[in-house]
Amino acid sequence: EAGVAQSPRYKIIEKRQSVAFWCNPISGHATLYWYQQILGQGPKLLIQFQNNGVVDDSQLPKDRFSAERLKGVDSTLKIQPAKLEDSAVYLCASSFGPVDYEQYFGPGTRLTVT
Amino acid sequence: AQSVSQHNHHVILSEAASLELGCNYSYGGTVNLFWYVQYPGQHLQLLLKYFSGDPLVKGIKGFEAEFIKSKFSFNLRKPSVQWSDTAEYFCAIDNNNDMRFGAGTRLTVKP
Repeated sequence: EAGVAQSPRYKIIEKRQSVAFWCNPISGHATLYWYQQILGQGPKLLIQFQNNGVVDDSQLPKDRFSAERLKGVDSTLKIQPAKLEDSAVYLCASSFGPVDYEQYFGPGTRLTVT
Repeated sequence: AQSVSQHNHHVILSEAASLELGCNYSYGGTVNLFWYVQYPGQHLQLLLKYFSGDPLVKGIKGFEAEFIKSKFSFNLRKPSVQWSDTAEYFCAIDNNNDMRFGAGTRLTVKP
């Protein structure tokens, strides 16, 4: 079974620039999550999709972050404009369903904002 | 809002030593509980989970955790660690799709 794919693996940008991350979940997984993991901290949930609808985006900084999952499969997370404090690993995870199912994590994208 | 506390930031053990990593959470209702592990250079992966039933949960690689509701705890244990257990361990709770992770405990096992 193929795992969760993410790209790029690494990205370095200057502050005020824009960046986008891509995630392809495990086939058949209806639920997709984006997390932000700052160095020394645990992952923080940014947004959760059920198919192509948003279930929870309460911790997403909506003034600069956006995410979409148009066809209920792949997803993109965008930051525009980036700030220094956005430097983190952005993790994508997927699960078969929204409740009581294991989340499978991708390798993450390490973002450095200079 | 619910939160998760992992008391140990970094634990160093010798091979064959016993391990216990602490995890406490703050939430009064029903939660699902997880331990995830991240080996060097690898993805986060699930070690074990508790949804209901027997509060002593067995996971992969000889790990187990005990849910003590009265103490809001879900400590991870292993009777004898190996060098290959060197990794970062994260406790997490999920209440109605609101997943919260602890800050993690880095475990170093000396050969």
